[in-house]
Amino acid sequence: EPEVTQTPSHQVTQMGQEVILRCVPISNHLYFYWYRQILGQKVEFLVSFYNNEISEKSEIFDDQFSVERPDGSNFTLKIRSTKLEDSAMYFCASGGQIDQPQHFGDGTRLSIL
Amino acid sequence: KQEVTQIPAALSVPEGENLVLNCSFTDSAIYNLQWFRQDPGKGLTSLLLIQSSQREQTSGRLNASLDKSSGRSTLYIAASQPGDSATYLCAVQTGANNLFFGTGTRLTVIP
Repeated sequence: EPEVTQTPSHQVTQMGQEVILRCVPISNHLYFYWYRQILGQKVEFLVSFYNNEISEKSEIFDDQFSVERPDGSNFTLKIRSTKLEDSAMYFCASGGQIDQPQHFGDGTRLSIL
Repeated sequence: KQEVTQIPAALSVPEGENLVLNCSFTDSAIYNLQWFRQDPGKGLTSLLLIQSSQREQTSGRLNASLDKSSGRSTLYIAASQPGDSATYLCAVQTGANNLFFGTGTRLTVIP
């Protein structure tokens, strides 16, 4: 069964550094999402992406964050200058249509030191 | 703003029991509701999706119901097994196409 894959599984970065989290969504899906889960807290929506542009973003997704689909298969989340509070599990998800299930990857655990 | 609550936060049952997990949401203007399973350190596995026009969905031993007007959903697991042990999350999709998640119910099935 097709799946969403994310790399790396764990990223450790110094505060202030830039990180890029990578995702390969399911190939025929049209909708792409990033979520995060701080340890012990709810999964929170960050951003949705459709037709090569952001369709929705939360208040968490400030100017430090950006997303890109550079080559038609990868979907990336960039954090420009990481803060300690960015430490979380970041999940990528994709969906075929807006009313179909979102399928999640296994996540990237981001640790900011 | 949509708030999703799940009760109980944790549940421990002996193998073979039937059980019900509860989810409630504050804004009934939803697109659909999705139940997920999350194993420790892993991603979310989609279990069932109920469209806003539907009342229930079934997959194997799982049955999910939706009462949109009262803002409630239940996930019924029949004949529980130790392999069902995980955290179960419900999430509602709004017209803005993002998901609002509950805090989850951590289920332990004791052999």
